[in-house]
Amino acid sequence: EDKVVQSPLSLVVHEGDTVTLNCSYEVTNFRSLLWYKQEKKAPTFLFMLTSSGIEKKSGRLSSILDKKELSSILNITATQTGDSAIYLCAVEAGYGNKLVFGAGTILRVKS
Amino acid sequence: DTGVSQDPRHKITKRGQNVTFRCDPISEHNRLYWYRQTLGQGPEFLTYFQNEAQLEKSRLLSDRFSAERPKGSFSTLEIQRTEQGDSAMYLCASSLRPRRGGARGTEAFFGQGTRLTVV
Repeated sequence: EDKVVQSPLSLVVHEGDTVTLNCSYEVTNFRSLLWYKQEKKAPTFLFMLTSSGIEKKSGRLSSILDKKELSSILNITATQTGDSAIYLCAVEAGYGNKLVFGAGTILRVKS
Repeated sequence: DTGVSQDPRHKITKRGQNVTFRCDPISEHNRLYWYRQTLGQGPEFLTYFQNEAQLEKSRLLSDRFSAERPKGSFSTLEIQRTEQGDSAMYLCASSLRPRRGGARGTEAFFGQGTRLTVV
């Protein structure tokens, strides 16, 4: 069965800290890995990764995929209180291209 | 608003009643997904359509659940004889199938969800 595991499950940091969130997967027919941010309602898209070793960056957020290790990390530098959210990792897999989600990492940034 | 929209946003129903939710995807998107999310968990896949064809259903989807996408545009998810364990956020997402020879993978855009409470 396709599986996505995220760690840590939750994290509390102070403003200005740097955080690294982890995602590992075991799936059939891997196509891509996606990161989403979820605040109160729907997940909003952050990154899609398909190739190993190529970092994607958007402002203070960056992410990289390691297909050999079947994993990805999401880095957030100089955290702000607005970064507080659940960060979801999803893998597009299988022949139907469904997204399989991890349980998420709850990040809380204290001022 | 040209994003994915879901209706209603909240639904409270008594156990045993039937409920139906609607999802309107982004207009050019041919793929539509339904997910269920409970507190502390990531979204769980329920079912997926490409155009009007339902291509995959999760084993989580009991025979009380049915989904349709009759003309390949909006979709409905119906739950019959609701149970308290059906209480959750039901999320719809849509995406565009990549063209042959194009980039692999698609990104899915989510609606705001329908929160169902079964009392």
